[in-house]
Amino acid sequence: EPEVTQTPSHQVTQMGQEVILRCVPISNHLYFYWYRQILGQKVEFLVSFYNNEISEKSEIFDDQFSVERPDGSNFTLKIRSTKLEDSAMYFCASSHASGTYSYEQYFGPGTRLTVT
Amino acid sequence: QKEVEQDPGPLSVPEGAIVSLNCTYSNSAFQYFMWYRQYSRKGPELLMYTYSSGNKEDGRFTAQVDKSSKYISLFIRDSQPSDSATYLCAMTSKAAGNKLTFGGGTRVLVKP
Repeated sequence: EPEVTQTPSHQVTQMGQEVILRCVPISNHLYFYWYRQILGQKVEFLVSFYNNEISEKSEIFDDQFSVERPDGSNFTLKIRSTKLEDSAMYFCASSHASGTYSYEQYFGPGTRLTVT
Repeated sequence: QKEVEQDPGPLSVPEGAIVSLNCTYSNSAFQYFMWYRQYSRKGPELLMYTYSSGNKEDGRFTAQVDKSSKYISLFIRDSQPSDSATYLCAMTSKAAGNKLTFGGGTRVLVKP
């Protein structure tokens, strides 16, 4: 069964450093998303991406964040200058583009980001 | 008022019992509803997806949506210890694009 994959599974970085989180969405999906979950809190939407551009973003997704689809399979989230409060699980998700199936989002296993 | 509310639990049931989970929401525009299962430190796994009021059944799982009451439910029949996890409801609307709004999750423990 196709699945979303994410690398690395755990990333430790120092405050102020840049990190890139990588995702390979399900191959025939055209919508891509990043969500995050701070320990003990709700899963929160960050950004959605379709047709090589951002379609929605949340207030959390400020200028420190960017997303890219560098090739036909990868989808990345970059945090330019990490802060302690960026420590969280980051989940990539993907969905079909067609009709109501576009709302059916499949999540990857997550990358645990620890900022020290 | 929070947009989506779930009782955090834990909800403890004996093996074989029916697990009953629910979410309430305040935004009447929500029209697409999902239930996810999340094991500790893992990604949410899509269990059920509905976009109309009424019931939808898939194996041991039944999802129920009551838009007039802004209330959704998930029932798990013949619960197994492997069903022990956190269950998240999520929802969205056409106006929200594909942005999912999640509840905080209900932790379920199924005891052998």
